[in-house]
Amino acid sequence: AQRVTQPEKLLSVFKGAPVELKCNYSYSGSPELFWYVQYSRQRLQLLLRHISRESIKGFTADLNKGETSFHLKKPFAQEEDSAMYYCALSRYSGAGSYQLTFGKGTKLSVIP
Amino acid sequence: DAGITQSPRYKITETGRQVTLMCHQTWSHSYMFWYRQDLGHGLRLIYYSAAADITDKGEVPDGYVVSRSKTENFPLTLESATRSQTSVYFCASSEEGNYGYTFGSGTRLTVV
Repeated sequence: AQRVTQPEKLLSVFKGAPVELKCNYSYSGSPELFWYVQYSRQRLQLLLRHISRESIKGFTADLNKGETSFHLKKPFAQEEDSAMYYCALSRYSGAGSYQLTFGKGTKLSVIP
Repeated sequence: DAGITQSPRYKITETGRQVTLMCHQTWSHSYMFWYRQDLGHGLRLIYYSAAADITDKGEVPDGYVVSRSKTENFPLTLESATRSQTSVYFCASSEEGNYGYTFGSGTRLTVV
């Protein structure tokens, strides 16, 4: 079965410091991984998709199949980055259906 | 971004009552999903649908019923609400199924 693990419930960093939000996964197939973000009192929104390999709001994430990781990184944290971050894995569940499995989330708090 | 709407935003109900949470999307996306968000558990998939009249169970389906008679609507019914179903419920839709999820604003349900 697929699993997404985010080992840190809460991560506090100072403004301007580097940020790394950890995500590890277990999946027997070829994984498709995402990072979603939820700002206070807002809906979840897609931040990154590993296939696109783009940088959004200064965040990047590299899929490491050897370590089964998809850590989210940003070189310099900003106060507006404070939010809840979820790592998610998509798997094909048959008959044209997909399931997106989320980790438990990491709350990032950027200290001014 | 009114493409996917959930109603009501807040609901308080008594144990044993039936309650229905509504989800409506305007894009004619094929895929729709219901998640519940709980502290310490992140988001867990309740039910999903790949198309009208096609639904399937997710990770935590017990106590819930869904239907999808029209592509744009995906109501979630708690047949006999329990306190353990107190949660924030998010609906999502996607055309691709494996990514591009758009989430609703959520319904905060309290069962007393």
